[in-house]
Amino acid sequence: EIVMTQSPATLSVSPGERATLSCRASQSISSNLAWYQQKPGQAPRLLIYDVSTRATGIPARFSGSGSGTEFTLTISSLQSEDFAVYYCQQSNNWPYTFGQGTKLEIK
Amino acid sequence: EVQLVESGGGLVQPGGSLRLSCSASGFTFSGYIMYWVRQAPGKGLEYISSISINGGSTYYADSVKGRSFISRDNSRNTLYLQMSSLRVEDTAVYYCVKRLTAASVGDYWGQGTLVIVSS
Repeated sequence: EIVMTQSPATLSVSPGERATLSCRASQSISSNLAWYQQKPGQAPRLLIYDVSTRATGIPARFSGSGSGTEFTLTISSLQSEDFAVYYCQQSNNWPYTFGQGTKLEIK
Repeated sequence: EVQLVESGGGLVQPGGSLRLSCSASGFTFSGYIMYWVRQAPGKGLEYISSISINGGSTYYADSVKGRSFISRDNSRNTLYLQMSSLRVEDTAVYYCVKRLTAASVGDYWGQGTLVIVSS
């Protein structure tokens, strides 16, 4: 099973600033990497798939990068609605696995 | 509008069984791979099962393999998850998830149904 490790566990950022979240895979997953956002009491929402492709309706301030085992989600200018938990997910091998999440909180 | 509505959750004793259902609408259900993903209270996300468009191929996470059975009824636009020999650690919100066409990720999620395994 591929283990996904996210860092940091918690990130404190002020509105309007940039946030950078990291995700590492225990082995190469090519470009089979997605990012989700989850707010309390809600289901996850797909943000990005295939490392850098934004899902339908996702604002351009969300961007993804990386390859192989190291990946990054960048939120260029944080809005109030962006404070949430973010998960990365690999779909290279079954079982598809998620990272443990990064909580993005208001500084 | 795509909608996925799960049902069937509840309180069950360890060793018991439960069948979860997911009613799908707003898209051609028979044309998409579907998943079940769960989330234990306060914890992360876990893919537990996948089913092909015709139900001929199924996959399970080791955590539920041998105790769970995923199926679908394309005529009823419904996805199922039969769970047996339930354990306390199966306590979670169970989400029904539609696969995105272009990648093995979930583009639409239901609101989830809570399963509590407790004596």
